[in-house]
This record gives sequence, structure tokens and C-alpha cells, in this order.
Amino acid sequence: DADVTQTPRNRITKTGKRIMLECSQTKGHDRMYWYRQDPGLGLRLIYYSFDVKDINKGEISDGYSVSRQAQAKFSLSLESAIPNQTALYFCATSDGGLSDTQYFGPGTRLTVL
Amino acid sequence: SQQGEEDPQALSIQEGENATMNCSYKTSINNLQWYRQNSGRGLVHLILIRSNEREKHSGRLRVTLDTSKKSSSLLITASRAADTASYFCATAMASGSRLTFGEGTQLTVNP
Repeated sequence: DADVTQTPRNRITKTGKRIMLECSQTKGHDRMYWYRQDPGLGLRLIYYSFDVKDINKGEISDGYSVSRQAQAKFSLSLESAIPNQTALYFCATSDGGLSDTQYFGPGTRLTVL
Repeated sequence: SQQGEEDPQALSIQEGENATMNCSYKTSINNLQWYRQNSGRGLVHLILIRSNEREKHSGRLRVTLDTSKKSSSLLITASRAADTASYFCATAMASGSRLTFGEGTQLTVNP
């Protein structure tokens, strides 16, 4: 089983709809991240959480919100989706230790019409 | 703006050749990491180099870091078609801090 899973893998929705993307991990890591990837722009950090009670905005948090339901679960919500939120979304985890490695989920391809 | 910028944006080579990708960054870092992404999939960590290190090896990968020039390079030797992917550098300002990713280099290895 994959260590970091994301649901759904693909989603098509309409402008104005509320969307939730979910991420679960079995790595036992405290730190979790949500990134957005657009062609030619690399990955941009939306929100991150260093533990269950900690939520921090990344560089592009406007229009998004998150919930850290448990150590293993971190959800990203688009309260009212708009077309320029069409992108590939990745969840990642890390243990915050000296290895500093991030482990990525398979991604969610979101299309907002 | 992105902390890390990769060069070239795209690279196409023949199987067996070496591939070199470069990454430049703007501010002091604690470590620099390289990740690989196969088309449409999640990123996979390749190698981490700390600011007090100059070179690291992992299999066919060789990473160098020049903190005076704020740059790093990733060398893949004896490339294979399976190395076709996008490669990203990511920088961390402090140990355990969040990463900032560059825009990536798309490598195509032709059989």
C-alpha cells in the first residue's frame, strides 16, 4: 500500500462548487503539506502543518482552506472553485528530522469548468 | 518568486550520454534537494546535499553544491530511457523547514 494517498485522483467540477481533497499517510510523520503544480510554474506551497494543532499558510493560500483531522489526515478545501484553480494538487509528508525528505502522494488532477 | 531556478528548462539526449541539470538559488540555505517526477505523478526524493557539503553521489547520480555561487548541479551518468522525467531542485532555509521548489528541468532520454 502507498504511504501517502490522495482522493480523489481526478475531479471535474463547476465554478462556485465546494471541493475537498483528502490526504492520508501511514508514514507516521507529523508534518504534512499541500502543493499546487501548474505547467511551467513548478510546485507552489498552499498550506502546511507541522503537527495536529499547527496550520500555516504557504505562498498561495487565498481561496483555499485546510483541516488537519489527525496526524495521518490533512484535507484541502476550495470553498468556491474558480477556473484558475485548475491544476495538479499534491500532498506531501515529512518527519522534520535531519533527513528533511518529503514524500509525495500521487496527486489529484482538478479541473474547474 | 521561486527560490530555485533550474537550467535548462528542457534537455534531450541519447541513451548512454550524461545529463547535467543546474539549479540556482537566491538566499542562504541549509540544504538543497533534488526530486524526480514522472509525468503526472508525485515527486520522488533523489538526493539531499547540505550547505557544508560540496559533492554527493548516489548510484548514477552526482550532485555538487557551490554555496559561493548559490548553485547546484545534478549529473546523471550513462542515462537510460527510464530516466526520462522532470527533475526539480528544492531548497530549505533551515534544517526541517519547508522547501521551496524550482520550476524543473524536463529530461528526455531517447533510446
